[in-house]
Amino acid sequence: DIVLTQAPLSVSVTPGESASISCRSSKSLLSSKGITSLYWYLQRPGKSPQLLIYQMSNLASGVPDRFSSSGSETDFTLKISKVETEDVGVYYCGHRLEYPLTFGSGTKLEIK
Amino acid sequence: EVQLQQSGAELGKPGTSVKLSCKVSGYNIRSTYMHWVNQRPGKGLEWIGRIDPANGNTIYAEKFKSKATLTADTSSNTAYMQLSQLKSDDTAIYFCAMATMMAPFDYWGQGVMVTVSS
Repeated sequence: DIVLTQAPLSVSVTPGESASISCRSSKSLLSSKGITSLYWYLQRPGKSPQLLIYQMSNLASGVPDRFSSSGSETDFTLKISKVETEDVGVYYCGHRLEYPLTFGSGTKLEIK
Repeated sequence: EVQLQQSGAELGKPGTSVKLSCKVSGYNIRSTYMHWVNQRPGKGLEWIGRIDPANGNTIYAEKFKSKATLTADTSSNTAYMQLSQLKSDDTAIYFCAMATMMAPFDYWGQGVMVTVSS
């Protein structure tokens, strides 16, 4: 199974500042079709997860451009610029390269 | 607008089964895969499996092969998951999620709490 390792476990950010979350994969997530199968999700407190980023660097519909993602085949970074209070929650990376699908363990973002 | 509406909270006794539903509106489930994910109290997300409603083909995570059974009714545009031989460890929130070309979990249901207790 592909293991996704997220860091840090939690991050505390002052509103208006930036935050970065790392996700490292135990296997290359570059598919044979040339797509990097890495996704980012945000789960706000008490809510269902929502898709933020698909195929490593593409913003999902309705997601503000304060969110961005980049990476290689195994190392990925989600960056949140000008953090707002609504960004509070747990961020998960996930893949769709092969079954079983797996998620990282999550990174909790809090506001200072 | 795509919406996934899950059935209500369940309280099951150890050794029994529960069947959860996920009704999709705004999209024909024949054209996609339906996934199920769980989240134990205070823990992260765990993929259970997926079904192709067009033909009933299923894939499960190894640990759920004897626990979960995924089905779908295309006439009502609804996906189902039955959890059998309930144990306290099955207490969790269970989400259904719908795939699109963009992502495996593009749309999510609201989640349903399953509590296993005698």
